[in-house]
Amino acid sequence: DTEVTQTPKHLVMGMTNKKSLKCEQHMGHRAMYWYKQKAKKPPELMFVYSYEKLSINESVPSRFSPECPNSSLLNLHLHALQPEDSALYLCASSHRLTGTAYEQYFGPGTRLTVT
Amino acid sequence: SQELEQSPQSLIVQEGKNLTINCTSSKTLYGLYWYKQKYGEGLIFLMMLQKGGEEKSHEKITAKLDEKKQQSSLHITASQPSHAGIYLCGADNTGKLIFGQGTTLQVKP
Repeated sequence: DTEVTQTPKHLVMGMTNKKSLKCEQHMGHRAMYWYKQKAKKPPELMFVYSYEKLSINESVPSRFSPECPNSSLLNLHLHALQPEDSALYLCASSHRLTGTAYEQYFGPGTRLTVT
Repeated sequence: SQELEQSPQSLIVQEGKNLTINCTSSKTLYGLYWYKQKYGEGLIFLMMLQKGGEEKSHEKITAKLDEKKQQSSLHITASQPSHAGIYLCGADNTGKLIFGQGTTLQVKP
């Protein structure tokens, strides 16, 4: 099973709302990632968790708050977002944090629209 | 910082034709990944190359990494409409995966 699932598939939220994105994998991967992808651009790394600990934060604004409750789950909590935060949010996982090249498996993404 | 440049940016081919997409790195590649993405969907892992001169194939798609490990090519033989999408090369950059800008492929029946 090489599946990464993400919910919801689509999300529309106002700038004062609080919402969460969820990601799940059952491949025993110990590294999990959040990416943001704008239209016609490649994915940009936001956060990396390794063994349930945050190891990389790419200077992401605090209105995005990641959480890794266990080795299979990854959440992204959203609060007071701006319209420019509208994008496709992708979750990925890999056997471990790269250093000697382990491929990442991506979920289908959550399409977020901030109004 | 490492940068990946893909060429061409977009490609329209007739079904059945062969095509090649290139990915050039500004630094030595220690892990090169090829992904495919349908618009608005997640990335599908295609292949990973690590060694200079390495070549891998999956169905009608072949990827190579040059001996100097700074350039990779993705070759599709006898293209089909199912090959249409955005092809992204990615590189392992000290624990982060960085991507090229992508190549959009259209296959005309």
